[in-house]
Amino acid sequence: KNEVEQSPQNLTAQEGEFITINCSYSVGISALHWLQQHPGGGIVSLFMLSSGKKKHGRLIATINIQEKHSSLHITASHPRDSAVYICAVYSSGTYKYIFGTGTRLKVLA
Amino acid sequence: GAGVSQSPRYKVAKRGQDVALRCDPISGHVSLFWYQQALGQGPEFLTYFQNEAQLDKSGLPSDRFFAERPEGSVSTLKIQRTQQEDSAVYLCASSLVWGAFNSPLHFGNGTRLTVT
Repeated sequence: KNEVEQSPQNLTAQEGEFITINCSYSVGISALHWLQQHPGGGIVSLFMLSSGKKKHGRLIATINIQEKHSSLHITASHPRDSAVYICAVYSSGTYKYIFGTGTRLKVLA
Repeated sequence: GAGVSQSPRYKVAKRGQDVALRCDPISGHVSLFWYQQALGQGPEFLTYFQNEAQLDKSGLPSDRFFAERPEGSVSTLKIQRTQQEDSAVYLCASSLVWGAFNSPLHFGNGTRLTVT
């Protein structure tokens, strides 16, 4: 069992839909990152969370430390949101990030 | 520079060749990570530097892999006698402070290595 699991693995949505991507982890963490990776491109950090909720534009990230779970929401999705979204946890007491395998999102116009 | 820079962007190597991948982190960033990302997978940890010190190389898959950061800035990942299973995207990331707990990671665009 992976220490960081994401769901769904693949997601296709129509433009304008509300999207939720989930991340569950089994290790103690100090922080959690949501990352965005476009095809052929590098990785961009969207959020870094250690508690609660953060919002940036149409993106919202939440984390529940007790339940070891985080969600990334995209409101009013757009084709340019099409990318792979990766959850990465910063393992407590180490300097290591553990990455999920990513959720491949495709938003259709 | 404005971001983490990696070169080359693409590398095709024949099996058995040696390759060197370069990472130029954001100026002043203490922490530097190398990751390997296979197709359809998340990044896997290879090695970590704090300044010039390589604190962890436990993720390097074999002794054919070697990384250095001699002056605490630019880093090079070297793969000797490349094998087909080495084909992947190699990502470099840096962060401002040690441990990166409260300092976000900045990624380069990666080097896509294809071993034929």
